[in-house]
Amino acid sequence: GAGVSQTPSNKVTEKGKYVELRCDPISGHTALYWYRQSLGQGPEFLIYFQGTGAADDSGLPNDRFFAVRPEGSVSTLKIQRTERGDSAVYLCASSPGTNREAFFGQGTRLTVV
Amino acid sequence: AQKVTQAQTEISVVEKEDVTLDCVYETRDTTYYLFWYKQPPSGELVFLIRRNSFDEQNEISGRYSWNFQKSTSSFNFTITASQVVDSAVYFCAPTTGTASKLTFGTGTRLQVTL
Repeated sequence: GAGVSQTPSNKVTEKGKYVELRCDPISGHTALYWYRQSLGQGPEFLIYFQGTGAADDSGLPNDRFFAVRPEGSVSTLKIQRTERGDSAVYLCASSPGTNREAFFGQGTRLTVV
Repeated sequence: AQKVTQAQTEISVVEKEDVTLDCVYETRDTTYYLFWYKQPPSGELVFLIRRNSFDEQNEISGRYSWNFQKSTSSFNFTITASQVVDSAVYFCAPTTGTASKLTFGTGTRLQVTL
């Protein structure tokens, strides 16, 4: 596809469970970002990949959150022992380079019950 | 530390009116980029414009124009002859540093009615 693809679009999970959220960026984009957006708020930065490496993970809220991008393309955001406070829309974006516009996916709405 | 302020929480206009969305960005950085994004009810963030801190020339692109004044830390965005399809939440977001991560404001909800 031409745009950033995120799966699933919706995920409902029970408190304490493990979840994985997938992001397929635009082909050729070396930069990949994860953001989290709570209701009525602007997106908040979680982690940035340049190629395969996490160049900036300063936005991850705690060690229950982890993300990988093993081949420099698809990325997976992993959340362990989910809590109700993790409920939000998780957005992925990719960019062709530094300080260039970022293209966002539709997001994954995570609901922890 | 940097701070992004979008003081307007919600704006309602009638179609064909012009509307300006305000953004104030405070930073000690001398080099940065400023972006505006739109988030329609469908939820997907859409890139609108990008500006760097070295260029204060105001520009117009179709119905969009923007006014960047470094001295007042303001980066305002104007929609001319608004349309119902412009109804969305608009975010101002600067980037700094090598990560180019966006720092979003709280957004301004624009409602355009007939």
